[in-house]
Amino acid sequence: LAKTTQPISMDSYEGQEVNITCSHNNIATNDYITWYQQFPSQGPRFIIQGYKTKVTNEVASLFIPADRKSSTLSLPRVSLSDTAVYYCLVGMFSGGYNKLIFGAGTRLAVHP
Amino acid sequence: DAGITQSPRHKVTETGTPVTLRCHQTENHRYMYWYRQDPGHGLRLIHYSYGVKDTDKGEVSDGYSVSRSKTEDFLLTLESATSSQTSVYFCAISTGTGGGTDTQYFGPGTRLTVL
Repeated sequence: LAKTTQPISMDSYEGQEVNITCSHNNIATNDYITWYQQFPSQGPRFIIQGYKTKVTNEVASLFIPADRKSSTLSLPRVSLSDTAVYYCLVGMFSGGYNKLIFGAGTRLAVHP
Repeated sequence: DAGITQSPRHKVTETGTPVTLRCHQTENHRYMYWYRQDPGHGLRLIHYSYGVKDTDKGEVSDGYSVSRSKTEDFLLTLESATSSQTSVYFCAISTGTGGGTDTQYFGPGTRLTVL
């Protein structure tokens, strides 16, 4: 199973760009990279997913280098409401099912 | 919340008693999952289901059983609860075919305390 490594915590200030990097050295050919966000007392919420190069949606961008051994979630101009735990996941497609392995996540604190 | 509800939302029970948590979806999705979340561990998969009466174990399945008698309901049972099973339990559904691009949507969680 591909495992991921992320920083335990990060701090930022309102209006700044935040980049959270995740390493996944054992990623397999069929694996996609997915990021989730979790607020206290809520379930994780899907943010973005990618396979290679760059993916952008209305809330974030995901950068994946050619070797796919790492990925970077970029949050532009963060606000206080972006304070949350962010999880990087690499899914292992096996037996027709995508098994997602959650790590401990990165706790992002955005300050005024 | 993608039409996912969990019941109960909070429960306190005693060691040795059986406990059943229910996950209900209104989306008619094939795949459903149970996770537990503990400080420092992120979310860990307990069991998952890929169809009615089709279930399999996740990474922390010991002490838990599941059942899925209809598409919309996925039940998690602790046959004899222990204090180590005190945790927050999340149910999730996935929107795709279970493949590499699958996206999971999570319920609001159930906080279980075993005394």
